[in-house]
Amino acid sequence: GQNIDQPTEMTATEGAIVQINCTYQTSGFNGLFWYQQHAGEAPTFLSYNVLDGLEEKGRFSSFLSRSKGYSYLLLKELQMKDSASYLCAVSSNYGQNFVFGPGTRLSVLP
Amino acid sequence: SAVISQKPSRDICQRGTSLTIQCQVDSQVTMMFWYRQQPGQSLTLIATANQGSEATYESGFVIDKFPISRPNLTFSTLTVSNMSPEDSSIYLCSVKGGFAGELFFGEGSRLTVL
Repeated sequence: GQNIDQPTEMTATEGAIVQINCTYQTSGFNGLFWYQQHAGEAPTFLSYNVLDGLEEKGRFSSFLSRSKGYSYLLLKELQMKDSASYLCAVSSNYGQNFVFGPGTRLSVLP
Repeated sequence: SAVISQKPSRDICQRGTSLTIQCQVDSQVTMMFWYRQQPGQSLTLIATANQGSEATYESGFVIDKFPISRPNLTFSTLTVSNMSPEDSSIYLCSVKGGFAGELFFGEGSRLTVL
């Protein structure tokens, strides 16, 4: 089976940097995805890692270590609109399985 | 990216009734996925809807409770049968696309069962 773990809640200040961690256990790993979900809305795709290392996309970066079963999402220059839940998801079995972690609720304070 | 439309966006239902949720995609896709998101929880896959064959259900979900139709490559329905308050959730339709094979989601259907 698969097991994905994330912190439940985090709080950060506007303009700061925050790192949201995700650990996972899976077989047949194909990729790790990060999604953002604002309250009352559907999740939206943020980033994707399939190889080890850092992927940068504007204010958002995501890191993957396959040997450690570990990823993080880094948000820089936080804005109030970044207050949302961030979901880590693992794809396996040639992309046939897509399992979401419990999500991290981020609150950005002024 | 794919544009996915779901109906209804929300509904309040009585215990014991059934409700059908519709999902329309703006392009042809082989597989459509139905997720459930209970209040304050993450997403759980209910089933994968394949055109021309029976849906594939995940552990804990059965066809009698969540019958699915997939009449063509752009449309699917999920029925929540004999509802109870425990079925109060957001139900999301999803397809794969994009360069990474990421999932795209419809706006969701928020069901409240009284």
